[in-house]
Amino acid sequence: DVKVTQSSRYLVKRTGEKVFLECVQDMDHENMFWYRQDPGLGLRLIYFSYDVKMKEKGDIPEGYSVSREKKERFSLILESASTNQTSMYLCASSSPQPSGGRETQYFGPGTRLLVL
Amino acid sequence: GESVGLHLPTLSVQEGDNSIINCAYSNSASDYFIWYKQESGKGPQFIIDIRSNMDKRQGQRVTVLLNKTVKHLSLQIAATQPGDSAVYFCAETSRPGKLIFGQGTTLQVKP
Repeated sequence: DVKVTQSSRYLVKRTGEKVFLECVQDMDHENMFWYRQDPGLGLRLIYFSYDVKMKEKGDIPEGYSVSREKKERFSLILESASTNQTSMYLCASSSPQPSGGRETQYFGPGTRLLVL
Repeated sequence: GESVGLHLPTLSVQEGDNSIINCAYSNSASDYFIWYKQESGKGPQFIIDIRSNMDKRQGQRVTVLLNKTVKHLSLQIAATQPGDSAVYFCAETSRPGKLIFGQGTTLQVKP
């Protein structure tokens, strides 16, 4: 089974703090993703990465950065946390399919972040 | 623009009955669809997927139906159990890595 783990289930931070959210997958997947999930807005893609040291902006990258130094690890960084970044953060991973077929994303348990 | 939507925010069913959760999508280029289940406090869990060259796919107690003519997707759960209570999301994509998620339908199973 694919296993995606996230470093924390719950986090409480103060406005202005730098926040690191870590994600690790054990299936040697090339692709990794960070989403945030908010009531009424569904899942929104923040950043994704197709390979080590590669990153692409998703739909809502403002206020976030990412790091992928190793294939199995994808970090989301909130440079200066703000209250509107209070959310559920979900990491996912997938493996590209041959001939350009679509791949399934597998999710971690999520990190619920509260910024005070 | 692209959007994926579920018809009902909440569906309540009796234990043992069959459940049908619906999803409409707007991107006719979408060629791959996934249903996810999200239990409270957990991340989305893959249930079943279907490619656009199929109309129906069955798993264990679940069936996904795809109607490309009306851009409609449904998830059928047979003999619904209390453990099926969760939020169900459909997702669609027309290119690698880009999943578009619906808002989710909450399934409540009454004992």
